Amino acid sequence: DAGITQSPRHKVTETGTPVTLRCHQTENHRYMYWYRQDPGHGLRLIHYSYGVKDTDKGEVSDGYSVSRSKTEDFLLTLESATSSQTSVYFCAIRGYSNQPQHFGDGTRLSIL
Amino acid sequence: DAKTTQPPSMDCAEGRAANLPCNHSTISGNEYVYWYRQIHSQGPQYIIHGLKNNETNEMASLIITEDRKSSTLILPHATLRDTAVYYCIVSPLDSGAGSYQLTFGKGTKLSVIP
Repeated sequence: DAGITQSPRHKVTETGTPVTLRCHQTENHRYMYWYRQDPGHGLRLIHYSYGVKDTDKGEVSDGYSVSRSKTEDFLLTLESATSSQTSVYFCAIRGYSNQPQHFGDGTRLSIL
Repeated sequence: DAKTTQPPSMDCAEGRAANLPCNHSTISGNEYVYWYRQIHSQGPQYIIHGLKNNETNEMASLIITEDRKSSTLILPHATLRDTAVYYCIVSPLDSGAGSYQLTFGKGTKLSVIP
């Protein structure tokens, strides 16, 4: 298994509160990704990173921000959580060129 | 705007080969075919990928037609643990991380029957 750890694995919080999800990798891979998965939508890319301090938006980036201050950590922040952000969040990592992405086990986030 | 078409569901008897088809008639010359699966609510698991040659690894075989418009994932001896949703994805060669976004469709739900 790829060395990817997502934390927390489960979280319940209230609307309007800030939430930060962490993705930690031990593979020293350059690329990291955050996806969300919702019924009827499959996985959708939120943000991605192509190096330390290098990030860009994905398909559904509104309401989310990310940071990558170290190769091994990619943080996803919901500044003011809304119920529409209730979802399962997956982190993925990738090495170089056409290597495949490998996914973490996910964080199940519920916003009440 | 789906780039791949897969049957929504399939059954396979335990111990038999599972052959999962995928149509990707609009695939471009620089796009790879990737297969992932997702077991229940776990993270997607990479299975195999290829460009135009057939590929085999310890999990599966990937057969890509000569015109590259379709492919088949073969699980040679399906077990109950292979019950999952299987996703066929086409994605271009890396020309920047953004172009490597994986677009997951609805996939094929494979049920392996005892």
